[in-house]
Amino acid sequence: GQQLNQSPQSMFIQEGEDVSMNCTSSSIFNTWLWYKQDPGEGPVLLIALYKAGELTSNGRLTAQFGITRKDSFLNISASIPSDVGIYFCAGDLNQAGTALIFGKGTTLSVSS
Amino acid sequence: DTGVSQNPRHKITKRGQNVTFRCDPISEHNRLYWYRQTLGQGPEFLTYFQNEAQLEKSRLLSDRFSAERPKGSFSTLEIQRTEQGDSAMYLCASSLPTGGLTREQYFGPGTRLTVT
Repeated sequence: GQQLNQSPQSMFIQEGEDVSMNCTSSSIFNTWLWYKQDPGEGPVLLIALYKAGELTSNGRLTAQFGITRKDSFLNISASIPSDVGIYFCAGDLNQAGTALIFGKGTTLSVSS
Repeated sequence: DTGVSQNPRHKITKRGQNVTFRCDPISEHNRLYWYRQTLGQGPEFLTYFQNEAQLEKSRLLSDRFSAERPKGSFSTLEIQRTEQGDSAMYLCASSLPTGGLTREQYFGPGTRLTVT
C-alpha cells in the first residue's frame, strides 16, 4: 500500500536548537498534515497544508508543502523541553478527505 | 472539553473475548474515522463514517471487526474473538463536513487494548 518515508527516525538535540524533519512519498498528495503525539495520547494536529508550495507557520513551527506535491518538511525553531514527542506527517490522497496515510514518525528528544 | 473523547482509555482482555470501544466526536463534525496504531508505527486507517453511513473500510478491518454509528453521533468499534495481534492503540478522529477542512482530522486520546 501507500507509504510515507519520514526522516530522520529520531533526533537528539539541545534546548534552543532548530530542528528539521521531512516526509517523502512516491504518490502525489492533496493535503499534508503534521501531528505531534505524546506517550499514551492521541496525535495532536499542528499544521495543515493544502497547496503545492504553501508555507505555513504556527508559532515556532513552520511547514511547507513541496512543489512536486510528493514531499513536506517541518521545522521547529528554538526548541524547548516540551517539544519532546513523536512527530508524524500524514498525507491525504483524496480531494474529499478520507483516509490519512501516516509516516512512521520522528522521535524528538530535547536536553536542557 | 469539546474535543474527541474515547472510552475506555485502557482495556485488558483475554484472547477470545469480545471488546467494544466508544468514540464521541467533536459535536459539529459529521465525519468520523477509526485508526489502529501499533508500537513504533503511525496510525493506520480502519474505517470512516459520514453521518451514519460507513463509506470506506480498510482491508485491515477483518470480519471480526465491526463499527457502527447508528445516529450519526457517537460510534462504536467492536472486536470479536480477540487475538493477541489485536493489541494496539485504537484511535478515533473526526472532521468537519465540507470544504478543505474535511482533511483536518482531530484525534481522541485513544483506547489502549491489551490481549493476553
